[in-house]
Amino acid sequence: QVQLVQSGAEVKKPGASVKVSCTASEHPFSSYDIHWVRQAPGQSLEWMGWISIGNGNTVYSQTFQGRVTFTRDTSATTVYMALSSLRSEDTAVYFCASGTHFGSGGDAFDFWGRGTKVTVSS
Amino acid sequence: EIVLTQSPGTLSLSPGERAILSCRATQSVTSRYLAWYQQKPGQAPRLLIYGASNRATGIPDRFSGSGSGTDFTLTITRLEPEDFAMYFCQQYGVSPQTFGRGTKVEIK
Repeated sequence: QVQLVQSGAEVKKPGASVKVSCTASEHPFSSYDIHWVRQAPGQSLEWMGWISIGNGNTVYSQTFQGRVTFTRDTSATTVYMALSSLRSEDTAVYFCASGTHFGSGGDAFDFWGRGTKVTVSS
Repeated sequence: EIVLTQSPGTLSLSPGERAILSCRATQSVTSRYLAWYQQKPGQAPRLLIYGASNRATGIPDRFSGSGSGTDFTLTITRLEPEDFAMYFCQQYGVSPQTFGRGTKVEIK
């Protein structure tokens, strides 16, 4: 069973940056994508982009382009999401997710991390 | 981007009743790449349906999905106590993939 384990909650001041990790294990595919999805309090889900575990390629949502960076470590089992120039509207739970059902514009996500709460407050 | 509108916003039903949730897209969803998720407070979403009508692994057969083009439906026959939750639809046929704002199924 695939497990996605995320790092712990963060509290940041406006203008700061945050980096959240997601460690994957037992994925059925040797090469797969890890997506990042965030959910502001009481709101819906917002897709941020993805990184390929296999080759490190990235795709970012235009909403976050220039402010978000996805990276992976050399073992390629841990990926990182860094978000800069934080503002109060970035307060949300950030999920990593992956799937085995592929579409022409993304994936349906079978596997989710438990989420990392990021609070931006002065 | 494709905007997904879910209705109703809240559905108040009793255990044992049938729930019908709607998801309408602003343009046709490519190849029926439409998924449904269930989310409970403090938890990550759980995939219920992918490809508009395929149940994900381990999902009970009281959950079913249908539809094509711009109109999709999630039906839950005979609501169980654990089914009272938020439900989101997602299209993954056109980038950026997008989610609806959700339908809350609450106990009447």
